[in-house]
Amino acid sequence: GAVVSQHPSRVICKSGTSVKIECRSLDFQATTMFWYRQFPKQSLMLMATSNEGSKATYEQGVEKDKFLINHASLTLSTLTVTSAHPEDSSFYICSATGLMNTEAFFGQGTRLTVV
Amino acid sequence: SQKIEQNSEALNIQEGKTATLTCNYTNYSPAYLQWYRQDPGRGPVFLLLIRENEKEKRKERLKVTFDTTLKQSLFHITASQPADSATYLCAAIKAAGNKLTFGGGTRVLVKP
Repeated sequence: GAVVSQHPSRVICKSGTSVKIECRSLDFQATTMFWYRQFPKQSLMLMATSNEGSKATYEQGVEKDKFLINHASLTLSTLTVTSAHPEDSSFYICSATGLMNTEAFFGQGTRLTVV
Repeated sequence: SQKIEQNSEALNIQEGKTATLTCNYTNYSPAYLQWYRQDPGRGPVFLLLIRENEKEKRKERLKVTFDTTLKQSLFHITASQPADSATYLCAAIKAAGNKLTFGGGTRVLVKP
């Protein structure tokens, strides 16, 4: 299957700082990328959908000014958690699909800890 | 609202037996149902996809069914192995490129 690389896999940051997470599709053009958040022993919660070259569509209850998403190319999307707080600590996962794909290819996930 | 529901209780099964997981959907007419495997601390991995006009799909020891009357998909792992222990997620999608709607996942533990 297609490969999606997510970086970093783990990050610890101080409250008030910003953290950027990258999601790259390595061997296909990802027309759509999705960002999820996952709490322990719970399923994935979709945060936003991003299409290359356009603004991300955020799910209800997700603050777009706090979780900045950029999808500047067909192979790269970034999620920036701004002014992070301890309650932002979570597992963040990206996925990518091509125009004709129905299955999603996921990154390895990023464990964010805000101290 | 659209709901994808999976049995939240963990499924404990003896090695060699068949594990059967259930995925039910309500207020939804997905064109595709998909199953993913997720190991702790990792992103989900795609396993199988079944279309609404397909009854059954197989891949090695895995089998998926799609019953649009019952609004249900069943996921079977035959001849289960301890390495099959993981959380299995059901996901529905209306069309290619659309967002996936995930169920809560079912944890499977295969005991040797």
